[in-house]
Amino acid sequence: GAVVSQHPSRVICKSGTSVKIECRSLDFQATTMFWYRQFPKQSLMLMATSNEGSKATYEQGVEKDKFLINHASLTLSTLTVTSAHPEDSSFYICSARMGGQGNTIYFGEGSWLTVV
Amino acid sequence: DAKTTQPTSMDCAEGRAANLPCNHSTISGNEYVYWYRQIHSQGPQYIIHGLKNNETNEMASLIITEDRKSSTLILPHATLRDTAVYYCIVSHSGANSKLTFGKGITLSVRP
Repeated sequence: GAVVSQHPSRVICKSGTSVKIECRSLDFQATTMFWYRQFPKQSLMLMATSNEGSKATYEQGVEKDKFLINHASLTLSTLTVTSAHPEDSSFYICSARMGGQGNTIYFGEGSWLTVV
Repeated sequence: DAKTTQPTSMDCAEGRAANLPCNHSTISGNEYVYWYRQIHSQGPQYIIHGLKNNETNEMASLIITEDRKSSTLILPHATLRDTAVYYCIVSHSGANSKLTFGKGITLSVRP
């Protein structure tokens, strides 16, 4: 299947700092990417939909000023967690839509964020 | 998007077929059935999807009932590495559609 890569896979940051997570579609162009968050023993929760060249669409309850999303090219979307706090510690997962039949969506490996 | 209902968990013996059911009684005519799985601490892995015809690929088979209100994912020869949470998701295939995850079914493959 298509490959979506995230970086970094694990990051530890201090409370109050910002951290950026990158999501790349390696072998296809993705006009739409998605960002999810997953807490331990819970399912994936969609945070926002990232569209290339336009502003992201955030799900209800997700603070757009805290979770900055930039989709500057057809192969790269970034999520920046600003002024991170310990409660932001989570598994962040991106996905990208591939065109064609069914518009299959492929997921990255995920990024573990720990805020200390 | 239509909602899906899956059992919480199931297990099967290694080497045997694993049949994972999913109910989606409110599915609309242009919604696809997607299956993903998530192995612990990894991102979800795409398995298969279908609209109304049965589908098969190198990983699994997807059987969709004629009324499209339910489907079954079949792993023909389960291995220990197939132990994971399997998500059945119904969604439109349009450019603005998105995948909403439920709780999925935890498949445990026993030796």
